[in-house]
Amino acid sequence: NAGVTQTPKFQVLKTGQSMTLQCAQDMNHNSMYWYRQDPGMGLRLIYYSASEGTTDKGEVPNGYNVSRLNKREFSLRLESAAPSQTSVYFCASSTSGAYNEQFFGPGTRLTVL
Amino acid sequence: DQQVKQNSPSLSVQEGRISILNCDYTNSMFDYFLWYKKYPAEGPTFLISISSIKDKNEDGRFTVFLNKSAKHLSLHIVPSQPGDSAVYFCAASETRAGGSYIPTFGRGTSLIVHP
Repeated sequence: NAGVTQTPKFQVLKTGQSMTLQCAQDMNHNSMYWYRQDPGMGLRLIYYSASEGTTDKGEVPNGYNVSRLNKREFSLRLESAAPSQTSVYFCASSTSGAYNEQFFGPGTRLTVL
Repeated sequence: DQQVKQNSPSLSVQEGRISILNCDYTNSMFDYFLWYKKYPAEGPTFLISISSIKDKNEDGRFTVFLNKSAKHLSLHIVPSQPGDSAVYFCAASETRAGGSYIPTFGRGTSLIVHP
């Protein structure tokens, strides 16, 4: 039981390049989330998927797109990376409804030069 | 504007003593509160939670207190251990139409427990 897995663990991009961050969970959770963590800023929600087939914007969606490929997988795409997107990205999942905690992946450290 | 505030970026405590981490919120619709713990180079992990119908929840060395009138919650760790050294995030959520549940996180407090 791997929980939430993320690939890659580290990535360096040049400005303008694109990439996709992958996330998968094996806990049969309906809801999945993408966060970014910047120094002193806590965790900020980029996009979330309340259930398979649905996605919604979070607090900081600009410059990102997401795909809920199936119940297990939720990917985050940067179409044209910018230095402001240098951050640590966390994927999380949870069961539906309130009063449930989130389970986080180990994170992807992205640097955009 | 921050809806969940952790006003102390860091806290230093001696091993064996009590650690008290504080969190304030502004949205009166929040009805569920959680604390997460994060070690360097790892993802956050859930620690303890409390719903708005309670004022205290205890799990071993960890206790969360909720003061709804003051919109304040705190996490107490007794006794503190060096392995508790980590960043602690406070999170709050409200039950929205359609059953979606989106927590809002504070900026975190870095706890250092000295041996």
